[in-house]
Amino acid sequence: LAKTTQPISMDSYEGQEVNITCSHNNIATNDYITWYQQFPSQGPRFIIQGYKTKVTNEVASLFIPADRKSSTLSLPRVSLSDTAVYYCLVVSTDSWGKLQFGAGTQVVVTP
Amino acid sequence: AAGVIQSPRHLIKEKRETATLKCYPIPRHDTVYWYQQGPGQDPQFLISFYEKMQSDKGSIPDRFSAQQFSDYHSELNMSSLELGDSALYFCASSLGASSLEQYFGPGTRLTVT
Repeated sequence: LAKTTQPISMDSYEGQEVNITCSHNNIATNDYITWYQQFPSQGPRFIIQGYKTKVTNEVASLFIPADRKSSTLSLPRVSLSDTAVYYCLVVSTDSWGKLQFGAGTQVVVTP
Repeated sequence: AAGVIQSPRHLIKEKRETATLKCYPIPRHDTVYWYQQGPGQDPQFLISFYEKMQSDKGSIPDRFSAQQFSDYHSELNMSSLELGDSALYFCASSLGASSLEQYFGPGTRLTVT
């Protein structure tokens, strides 16, 4: 299973774009990348998933370079309610539903 | 929209007692997952079920067992509780076993004294 490394914490101001980069150097061919958000004492919430290139939805964008050894979650124009822990996960198609959470990134948004 | 329902939301037990946590997935979802999140820790995958069969297993202690019933709800049974079992237990559901998009419930906070 590919190990992920992401910043422990990031600070931002309201209205700014936040980019969180996750390293997964030993990602395998059949691995996908997914990101989850978690507020204190709540269950994680799915944000976005991708395999390569760029994926965008109404909440965020996910950039994955050609070598797939890293990925960047981009949160446009954050608000105070985006203060949360963000997890980058690499999931193998061999154990599709088994989300293995590592250390996430605590994002703090201030006015 | 209907979400994952977990009951009870809070549970206090003493050491060596047993506990049963229940999870009701989103309607039409056929896959259920259980996660444990200790204080200040990240969620840890315990076990999952697809169409009432165990589909994957993580770091679930032998003292714990789980099953998924014909109506797709799931129960996590925990016996010989230990202080270290105190945690938030999340259930998640998805449509199909090949979905990365899991919908998490509000969790059950278990306190073992």
